[in-house]
Amino acid sequence: DIQMTQSPSTLSASVGDRVTITCRASQSISSWLAWYQQKPGKAPRLLIYKASGLESGVPSRFGGSGSETDFTLTISSLQPDDFATYYCQQYYTYPNTFGQGTKLEI
Amino acid sequence: EVLLVESGGGLVQPGRSLRLSCAASGFTLGDYGMHWVRQAPGKGLEWVSGISWKSGRTAYADSVKGRFIISRDNAQNSLNLQMNSLRVEDTAFYFCVKGSIVAVPVDIRGDVFDIWGQGTLVTVSS
Repeated sequence: DIQMTQSPSTLSASVGDRVTITCRASQSISSWLAWYQQKPGKAPRLLIYKASGLESGVPSRFGGSGSETDFTLTISSLQPDDFATYYCQQYYTYPNTFGQGTKLEI
Repeated sequence: EVLLVESGGGLVQPGRSLRLSCAASGFTLGDYGMHWVRQAPGKGLEWVSGISWKSGRTAYADSVKGRFIISRDNAQNSLNLQMNSLRVEDTAFYFCVKGSIVAVPVDIRGDVFDIWGQGTLVTVSS
């Protein structure tokens, strides 16, 4: 199985900050990577697909980049609503695998 | 409104069975994949199983292979997960999830999860 490793596990930031979360795959997955946001007690929400594609309805302050094994999720200017846990997921091959998550804290 | 609503969760003893269902409304499943993703309390996300809606191809995580069975009901536009020989480590919130890739062979390729249900809690404990 392809292992997905996120860093950091926890990130402390302030409103207005620019933040970056990193995701690394244990082998090349081309651009077959998605990012999700999850708030406590809620289901995850798709933010980014194919490494950099913005899902409909997602604010433009969210951006994704990368290919092969190294990917990043960037939030250009943190808003209060953005404090949540973020997961990357590879869909290059079965089985789908997720990173362990990055908790973004105030 | 596009909705996925899970049902069937609850408390069950180790070794017993439970059946989860997921009703889809506001869209037709067409030729997409449908999946179950679970999350143990306070932990991360784990893909459990998927089914290619049109072809009926199925796939399972190694952790549930041979114990869980995913199925679909075209007439009811619903998804099911039969969970047998349950273990304490199966305790989790189970999310019903729609995939976004058309005609995805779930036993070969992965999928992007664009619509999620609210989840149903399965607790396996004696």
